[in-house]
Amino acid sequence: GEDVEQSLFLSVREGDSSVINCTYTDSSSTYLYWYKQEPGAGLQLLTYIFSNMDMKQDQRLTVLLNKKDKHLSLRIADTQTGDSAIYFCAEIPSSNTGKLIFGQGTTLQVKP
Amino acid sequence: GAGVSQSPSNKVTEKGKDVELRCDPISGHTALYWYRQSLGQGLEFLIYFQGNSAPDKSGLPSDRFSAERTGGSVSTLTIQRTQQEDSAVYLCASSLGGLVFTDTQYFGPGTRLTVL
Repeated sequence: GEDVEQSLFLSVREGDSSVINCTYTDSSSTYLYWYKQEPGAGLQLLTYIFSNMDMKQDQRLTVLLNKKDKHLSLRIADTQTGDSAIYFCAEIPSSNTGKLIFGQGTTLQVKP
Repeated sequence: GAGVSQSPSNKVTEKGKDVELRCDPISGHTALYWYRQSLGQGLEFLIYFQGNSAPDKSGLPSDRFSAERTGGSVSTLTIQRTQQEDSAVYLCASSLGGLVFTDTQYFGPGTRLTVL
């Protein structure tokens, strides 16, 4: 089946690290994605990871993939108030018709 | 244009009316996707176009929903006899195409539809 789940809310203090978690069910998923949605804006691709990787780092962002547990996480170092947004993880299922399957989104609140 | 554009940005309609939502993809992108974002259902895939054909329309929720794409560019999503449960933000995305996993989908700002 195709299902992606995330926790709904995370609150952190400015300067702390944020970790947003995601689980997925399609073990054949090849690529997994993180998107960011700011208020009133469309979805912005943050990063993606190929399933044969365990970790990918891009500046303040670190993506960890545990393929055995089908668990994906996004770590944001030195979180800033501008990072406040909704973060979606997504997969393209093995059927690969191009559609993205999204999680429910995690609202990240960064307190000054 | 520089990005995916959608119009209108907001649409308020009465139950039972038909609505048309428009998407202008990034120039040169052959793939186009429609998604719906609502409070109860999250982000759902609706339909995917490659060129002018729709190989995957599995996400359209009922036969009141239809979409077309002409000239390999602009797409229109039509909802007939709108219902209150159709209220949502309708997002369009485009990509270069080719069913490559790293074929990044770029999203427009969405059309917020409210059915009274």
